[in-house]
Order: sequence, then C-alpha cells, then structure tokens
Amino acid sequence: AQTVTQSQPEMSVQEAETVTLSCTYDTSESDYYLFWYKQPPSRQMILVIRQEAYKQQNATENRFSVNFQKAAKSFSLKISDSQLGDAAMYFCAYRVTQGGSEKLVFGKGTKLTVNP
Amino acid sequence: DTGVSQNPRHKITKRGQNVTFRCDPISEHNRLYWYRQTLGQGPEFLTYFQNEAQLEKSRLLSDRFSAERPKGSFSTLEIQRTEQGDSAMYLCASSRTAFQETQYFGPGTRLLVL
Repeated sequence: AQTVTQSQPEMSVQEAETVTLSCTYDTSESDYYLFWYKQPPSRQMILVIRQEAYKQQNATENRFSVNFQKAAKSFSLKISDSQLGDAAMYFCAYRVTQGGSEKLVFGKGTKLTVNP
Repeated sequence: DTGVSQNPRHKITKRGQNVTFRCDPISEHNRLYWYRQTLGQGPEFLTYFQNEAQLEKSRLLSDRFSAERPKGSFSTLEIQRTEQGDSAMYLCASSRTAFQETQYFGPGTRLLVL
C-alpha cells in the first residue's frame, strides 16, 4: 500500500527567508502524481503545487518549487521569500492509480509558522 | 467557479443520533470525493463518485456510513448511530473526469459527537 511520510511535524521560518518541507513516499507504481496542499487555520485546503512522476523537470509555482527525486521517492517543497500568509499546515499527497482508484493518500502534515 | 461548498460547517450531536452532511461540487466536475480528517492527521479517503456511481469505498466507511449522489450533482454523507469516534472534519473534494485531474476541496464539516 502506498504511504506518505512527513517527518517534520512543525517548522518555522523568518519572513522573507526560505524553508524546505520534506516528504517521502512509498509506492510500486511507475506513473503517479504528487501534490502539496496548504490548509490555513480554519480555512479550506488549497492546492499549492503538483508534480507528474514522468516529468523530470521539477514543478514551480511562483515562490513554491519542489525537489522531486523519483529514485529516492522524495518530494520536498521549497518556499522562497516566505510571507506571513504562508503560515499553515502543509500536506504532501500521493495520487493512487492502481486498480482504477482515484484517492489521495496524505501525510500527517507539517505545521509551518512564519515569524515576522 | 464558485468552489466546493459544504453544509453545515459545524455540527454538534449526541451519541446515537443520525447526521447528514451535504457537498456541492464545482459545477462542471463529474467526480466527487469524501475524506475524513481527525486532529493532527492528514485527510483519509472515504469514498468517491463518478457522476451518480459510487466507484470506491474505503474500509473506514463502516455500515453506519452511507453516501449518495443521486443526480450526479450534490452528494450527501449520512452517519447513523453516531459514536464519539466519529468526531472529525469531513471534507469533500471534486475534480473533472480527465486522468489525474486535481481535486479541489471544500471547507469541510466539523462534527462533534458528545
């Protein structure tokens, strides 16, 4: 079964600095999608960035970028120029495709604090 | 695009009562998903629909849980004979049918069972 591990329950960063959140996953599939979702306090989960496993190029979305290491099954999120609004829970997720499943498997999350 | 909406946003109930939650997906999205999120955990998959067909159910979805999407638009999730362990945030997400389309989440319904 696919699993997603986020080894950092909490992280903090100074405003304007850069922070990297870690994620590892376990799968036997060769083609899959990975996602980072952000869940601000008492607000809904929103997609930050996604990565297709067949693409070697790392995905980027403005200040957010990933370091996708397929062989190592690692998918870290880098946030550059951190802003106060980046404070949230960040969840790494894997999209299961075996057997026609469409579910996302999430890690336990990393709580990011941004200090002014 | 008005986003995924869920009602109610909060529900407090007594153990043994039945509760029903509603999810309205993004209008052009054919797929609808339900997840459950407990404190300190990531969301866990419960079930998903393509149009009105329920295509997958998790083992987490016990006999007391039932989900429907009768006309392929909104969906309801009912929990019968609630237990304290059912206290959680229930999240709904929707996506288009294309392979590996992104799932967009609603704000969730927070259930507290006393």
